[in-house]
Amino acid sequence: AQSVSQHNHHVILSEAASLELGCNYSYGGTVNLFWYVQYPGQHLQLLLKYFSGDPLVKGIKGFEAEFIKSKFSFNLRKPSVQWSDTAEYFCAPQALGALTFGSGTRLQVQP
Amino acid sequence: DAGVTQSPTHLIKTRGQQVTLRCSPISGHKSVSWYQQVLGQGPQFIFQYYEKEERGRGNFPDRFSARQFPNYSSELNVNALLLGDSALYLCASSLYTGAGELFFGEGSRLTVL
Repeated sequence: AQSVSQHNHHVILSEAASLELGCNYSYGGTVNLFWYVQYPGQHLQLLLKYFSGDPLVKGIKGFEAEFIKSKFSFNLRKPSVQWSDTAEYFCAPQALGALTFGSGTRLQVQP
Repeated sequence: DAGVTQSPTHLIKTRGQQVTLRCSPISGHKSVSWYQQVLGQGPQFIFQYYEKEERGRGNFPDRFSARQFPNYSSELNVNALLLGDSALYLCASSLYTGAGELFFGEGSRLTVL
């Protein structure tokens, strides 16, 4: 069975600060990797995804993530956060179609 | 284009009752998945259906069941409700089963008293 660990449960940053959210997963086979975001009062939305190829993937709103196979990691980054990035972020590896979500990281950006 | 639609949006049940939640996928999507999101946790996989057949099942008791109809809509049924079944139930649709992006609905919030 696969598992996923998000290291930061609650992160508070000031606007313009840089962001990095950690995600490690365990799975013996090939996985696709996703980051989803849930803005307050809204449904889960895809932030970015990795299937294969270039391990550095870019998503919406200036987010990017790097897949490091040897470390089973897929960390999310953004150089400069905005107040509108306040949301909950979920890392989710996918195997056989099913997503396994991490416990989530609540990001609070202070103006 | 309409996204994934779920109904009802909110409902309250008492222990022991049964509930049916409904989901309409994005037009053209043939796969529907169900997830349970308990407050403060990430969503947990319950079922995946593709072309009316169950393609995956998470670690949930037999009180949980689902089906997919010829128009690709889906229902999730939960029998003998427990307090611990209180959660946001999310439906997601995708073009196919297997690898690919899942598009989520807004969810049905179930409260069991």
